[in-house]
Amino acid sequence: DIQMTQSPASLSTSLGETVSIECLASEGISNDLAWYQQKSGKSPQLLIYAASRLQDGVPSRFSGSGSGTRYSLKISDMQPEDEAVYFCQQSYKYPYTFGSGTKLELK
Amino acid sequence: EVKLQQSGDELVRPGASVKISCKASGYTFTSYSMHWVKQRPGQGLEWIGAIIPIIDITEYNQKFKGKATLTADKSSNTANMELSRLTSEDSAVYYCARNEGSGYLNWFAYWGQGTPVTVSS
Repeated sequence: DIQMTQSPASLSTSLGETVSIECLASEGISNDLAWYQQKSGKSPQLLIYAASRLQDGVPSRFSGSGSGTRYSLKISDMQPEDEAVYFCQQSYKYPYTFGSGTKLELK
Repeated sequence: EVKLQQSGDELVRPGASVKISCKASGYTFTSYSMHWVKQRPGQGLEWIGAIIPIIDITEYNQKFKGKATLTADKSSNTANMELSRLTSEDSAVYYCARNEGSGYLNWFAYWGQGTPVTVSS
């Protein structure tokens, strides 16, 4: 199975700041990577797919980048509604696997 | 509007089975594969498996083989997951999710609301 190592596990930032979350795959996944946001008690919501493509309706302050085994999600201009847990997911090989999640909070 | 409506909360005895449904609407059910994901309280996400409704082909995470059985009812546009021989380790929220891809590049743009399953005597 492809292991997805996500970091950091938690992050605290201020309004308007920029943060980055990283995922390292145990082998190359050819950009077959998605990022999801999950708020407490809710289903995950897609933010980014194919490593860097922004899902319709998602604010442009979210962006994804990376290649090979290293991928990152950047959130610019942190807003209160961005407080959530973020997960990466590889869909390059079965079984699909997720990162362990990053909890993002406002200071 | 695409919608995945899952069945309600389940409280089941250890050793029993439970069947969770995911009714799809707003699109052609057979045009997309349906995937299932497990989330234990305060934990991350685990991919259970997937079904391609048009040909009834399934793919399972080895970890869930023998535990989960995926089916699709094309007449009612409903995907189902049966979990058997339940233990406390199966207490979790289970999600269905529609896969937008069909080979290289896959992602889940639509998710059900989740079905909490509690295994307790």
